[in-house]
Amino acid sequence: AQSVTQPDIHITVSEGASLELRCNYSYGATPYLFWYVQSPGQGLQLLLKYFSGDTLVQGIKGFEAEFKRSQSSFNLRKPSVHWSDAAEYFCAVGGRSGGGADGLTFGKGTHLIIQP
Amino acid sequence: GAVVSQHPSRVICKSGTSVKIECRSLDFQATTMFWYRQFPKQSLMLMATSNEGSKATYEQGVEKDKFLINHASLTLSTLTVTSAHPEDSSFYICSAARDPLGDEQFFGPGTRLTVL
Repeated sequence: AQSVTQPDIHITVSEGASLELRCNYSYGATPYLFWYVQSPGQGLQLLLKYFSGDTLVQGIKGFEAEFKRSQSSFNLRKPSVHWSDAAEYFCAVGGRSGGGADGLTFGKGTHLIIQP
Repeated sequence: GAVVSQHPSRVICKSGTSVKIECRSLDFQATTMFWYRQFPKQSLMLMATSNEGSKATYEQGVEKDKFLINHASLTLSTLTVTSAHPEDSSFYICSAARDPLGDEQFFGPGTRLTVL
């Protein structure tokens, strides 16, 4: 069965500091990996995705993530965080079976707090 | 492009009544749509996969008689919560896989259901 582990429930970072959010996954086939951000009471916004190819993917808002198959990881990074980055971050894994996309399995999320 | 809408955004109902939530892909055709549920401060859990013209596939533990899903067209899926109870109060989010790629899911803004 597929699963996603986000080991950090909360992370506090000073504004301007770098950020890394961890994500480990388990998936039986070639995974599709995603990072989403969710502000309170809001829907999901896709930050970036990995399907294949270059293992370092660039996303919106200055985020990037690196796929490491050997470590089953897809960690999210940002060199300098802004106060507006405070939110809940979800890592998700999916794939394809049959003729179309599979439903996503989400991690429990990491709550990012930005200190001034 | 790739916009998904949900209606209503918020709904409050009395215990025992039924509530219908609509999910529409506004500018693309979606052979497959997904329904997720998110409890407060928790992650998203896949409830069911909805394919146009066929019966929905429910995840283990999701009551199909309580959560009725209909995917009548390539742009519309509906979730009906029947005989709602307070424990059904949650944030319901749909997503749609763009056909024919089916690789990425586009999420709706979510529907907040409160059952009194």
